[in-house]
Amino acid sequence: DTGVSQDPRHKITKRGQNVTFRCDPISEHNRLYWYRQTLGQGPEFLTYFQNEAQLEKSRLLSDRFSAERPKGSFSTLEIQRTEQGDSAMYLCASSLNVLARENYGYTFGSGTRLTVV
Amino acid sequence: TQLLEQSPQFLSIQEGENLTVYCNSSSVFSSLQWYRQEPGEGPVLLVTVVTGGEVKKLKRLTFQFGDARKDSSLHITAAQPGDTGLYLCAGAGAGGTSYGKLTFGQGTILTVHP
Repeated sequence: DTGVSQDPRHKITKRGQNVTFRCDPISEHNRLYWYRQTLGQGPEFLTYFQNEAQLEKSRLLSDRFSAERPKGSFSTLEIQRTEQGDSAMYLCASSLNVLARENYGYTFGSGTRLTVV
Repeated sequence: TQLLEQSPQFLSIQEGENLTVYCNSSSVFSSLQWYRQEPGEGPVLLVTVVTGGEVKKLKRLTFQFGDARKDSSLHITAAQPGDTGLYLCAGAGAGGTSYGKLTFGQGTILTVHP
C-alpha cells in the first residue's frame, strides 16, 4: 500500500462546469475524510465516512457538493456548477482505528488543486 | 464548534535560532496532532499527544500537551532551513460523531534563512 492517492492532482475548469475528484485511502483504514484548504491556511473540514456511511457533513458545504464512498473503499467528491470561490486544494485523508489514540493521526493524500476560471 | 487558535501566523528566523508555536482552544480534545506541510503536498503527521501534560521529543522538536488537553506547543531548537514549511496543529474531537474528527488551526508559516 503506497498511501493515500488522489486523482487528478490538478484540475482547471470553467465556472459552471461540474468536476469530480477521486480518493483511494489506505486499504485497512475505515475512516475517510475530505478537507478543503486555501493558500497558507489550515484545512477546513468538509465531510467524512466511516466505511460506506457518511457520518458528518459540514454546514458550510453547499448543496452543490456531494461525496460518496459506495463500497467503503475509494471515495469521490463532486462539485456541481463550480464557482470561482471553489478554487482551493481539496485534500483527502484516511485514518486507522480511532480507538488507538496513541498512534492516531491522518494520512493525507497530495491533494487535488482546483482552479475555476 | 471546536476552534483552534494557532500563533504566530508567520515566523521568519535565521538558522540556529529557537522558536515556539502555540495552539490554543477553549475545547477539550481527545488527542492533538502536529503536522508539517510543504507546498503542493498534503500535511504529514509529526506527532500525536494524548495525555494532559505530556511532552514528546522528536530530534530538535519538542511537543507539549496542556494539562487540561486544550492547548499545545511546538518548540524547535536550532532551526535549520529544512524546517521551513507550514506547521499545523489539529485537535481530535472528544465525543459523538466528532470523535476522531480533526479540527485544524490556521497554521504557522515558518521560514528559516541560511
